Amino acid sequence: AQTVTQSQPEMSVQEAETVTLSCTYDTSESDYYLFWYKQPPSRQMILVIRQEAYKQQNATENRFSVNFQKAAKSFSLKISDSQLGDAAMYFCAYRSPGNQFYFGTGTSLTVIP
Amino acid sequence: DGGITQSPKYLFRKEGQNVTLSCEQNLNHDAMYWYRQDPGQGLRLIYYSQIVNDFQKGDIAEGYSVSREKKESFPLTVTSAQKNPTAFYLCASSMWPSYGYTFGSGTRLTVV
Repeated sequence: AQTVTQSQPEMSVQEAETVTLSCTYDTSESDYYLFWYKQPPSRQMILVIRQEAYKQQNATENRFSVNFQKAAKSFSLKISDSQLGDAAMYFCAYRSPGNQFYFGTGTSLTVIP
Repeated sequence: DGGITQSPKYLFRKEGQNVTLSCEQNLNHDAMYWYRQDPGQGLRLIYYSQIVNDFQKGDIAEGYSVSREKKESFPLTVTSAQKNPTAFYLCASSMWPSYGYTFGSGTRLTVV
């Protein structure tokens, strides 16, 4: 079975600094998708960024970028120039070829003014 | 605007009662999902449906039931057999195949 592991239950970052959230996953598949979702206090889940496994280039969305290491099954999220509005729970997710999603247990990010 | 609507936002259930959580989408998505979220446990899949009139159990289906009579709707019933139903419930949908989920805003269920 696929598993997604987020080993950092809590992280903090100074405003305007950079932070990296870790995620590892386990799969025997070669073609899959990876995602980072943000859940602010409103609890609305928001898609932050996605990565297709067959693409070697790391995905980037404005201040958010990933470091995708397929062989190591690692998918970390880097947030640059952190803002107060980035404070939230962040979930890493894996989507199998069969369209099943598996989520990590989340990392709670605090942004310090 | 297209999206997913979950209702109600807050729901209270007495012991022994069944309650139904609503999930409606106007995104024309084929697949719909129900997740349960508990503190420190991330999201756990309850049920999912990839087409109308068909659905499959997820990891924690016991004590729950669903139906998918219309593409737009995927209601979740929490039955009295669910021993610990207090949680936050999220509905999601996706195209088949898809890039990712679109989530509803959730329902907080509390047993009183």
